[in-house]
Amino acid sequence: GAVVSQHPSRVICKSGTSVKIECRSLDFQATTMFWYRQFPKKSLMLMATSNEGSKATYEQGVEKDKFLINHASLTLSTLTVTSAHPEDSSFYICSAREGGFVNQPQHFGDGTRLSIL
Amino acid sequence: GNSVTQMEGPVTLSEEAFLTINCTYTATGYPSLFWYVQYPGEGLQLLLKATKADDKGSNKGFEATYRKETTSFHLEKGSVQVSDSAVYFCALTLNTGGFKTIFGAGTRLFVKA
Repeated sequence: GAVVSQHPSRVICKSGTSVKIECRSLDFQATTMFWYRQFPKKSLMLMATSNEGSKATYEQGVEKDKFLINHASLTLSTLTVTSAHPEDSSFYICSAREGGFVNQPQHFGDGTRLSIL
Repeated sequence: GNSVTQMEGPVTLSEEAFLTINCTYTATGYPSLFWYVQYPGEGLQLLLKATKADDKGSNKGFEATYRKETTSFHLEKGSVQVSDSAVYFCALTLNTGGFKTIFGAGTRLFVKA
């Protein structure tokens, strides 16, 4: 089946550091990828929709200058958390939908646990 | 607005017990409905889906039926196993621009041996 690879799985870094998270669709092309943030024991909060070759669409309340998204190819999207602070610590998950139809499920990466000291 | 409501957890069952996790939704148009499962420290995996009214999705002994009249998509399994312990998310994808997916809050299931 369709596989989405997310890297790294865990990051621990100092406050002020910028962190890049990669999301790759391994065996299918994804024109659209999604980035979520999940707080402990909470549901997924959609941060932005990443569109190949164009600007990402951010959800209300998400700072686009803080969370930079680049979708340079049909198999790769990156999320960069710029000048990260402790409040950015969270579990970040990417997903991609195979094909452009509503009835197709999303395939999720295994997530990245980001801890800012 | 569009939303998904699922029963609060945690749900604790003994092995071989019957499982029901309720899910209801509010949506414009005709969404597709999904159940995803998340094991500790991992991302989400698709468990099953249904794309139109009266469709039944099934996988690994789990079932859910798309009930348009009650706007529900309850998850059921006849006999749970310890390995089913996880968090279960009900979700819908809108058939409007962007095809956003909206998730329920998740229900944590513990199965005791």
